Amino acid sequence: SQTIHQWPATLVQPVGSPLSLECTVEGTSNPNLYWYRQAAGRGLQLLFYSVGIGQISSEVPQNLSASRPQDRQFILSSKKLLLSDSGFYLCAWSVGPLYGAFFGQGTRLTVV
Amino acid sequence: GDSVTQMEGPVTLSEEAFLTINCTYTATGYPSLFWYVQYPGEGLQLLLKATKADDKGSNKGFEATYRKETTSFHLEKGSVQVSDSAVYFCALKSNTGKLIFGQGTTLQVKP
Repeated sequence: SQTIHQWPATLVQPVGSPLSLECTVEGTSNPNLYWYRQAAGRGLQLLFYSVGIGQISSEVPQNLSASRPQDRQFILSSKKLLLSDSGFYLCAWSVGPLYGAFFGQGTRLTVV
Repeated sequence: GDSVTQMEGPVTLSEEAFLTINCTYTATGYPSLFWYVQYPGEGLQLLLKATKADDKGSNKGFEATYRKETTSFHLEKGSVQVSDSAVYFCALKSNTGKLIFGQGTTLQVKP
């Protein structure tokens, strides 16, 4: 069966520090991969998605970047965190246009 | 660009009441449509889906019909329970794989 791993679950980082959040999927090949941010009481904002290795679509210009170094690995990064980067980050995977996505447990990032 | 708009919440209902949560979308081409649910303290779960016009998705007593003519995918349930209290998200997936969500609607069901 397919599983998705996202870590860490919580993270407290100082302003100006770098960020690396990792997401890996098991049990499937060539998945679509997604990074979202969910603000309290608000919806999911799509940050990046990838339909293949090295293919990254950026949805919102911001202080973050994403990379997909391997088929089932998706990394969210920042060189210098801002206070406004605080939030709940979710990774998800899917296959094909007809199927829904499955989500990781999320990372609560607090920038201080 | 593609977008999903949901009705503002919160929605507060008494147990056994009828539920409708409105969702409309804009998209190029023929997207797939989804409803997700997030119970308190839990992650997002796929509730139902429809992949083409006039399809009806259903699960756990919830249903939604893909209406291309009105670009809508409203979620309905005939008789809600306290256990249905959650946040509901409407979502659209394009042929490119892009998956976007509405802002979510909080449902609170009172006994």
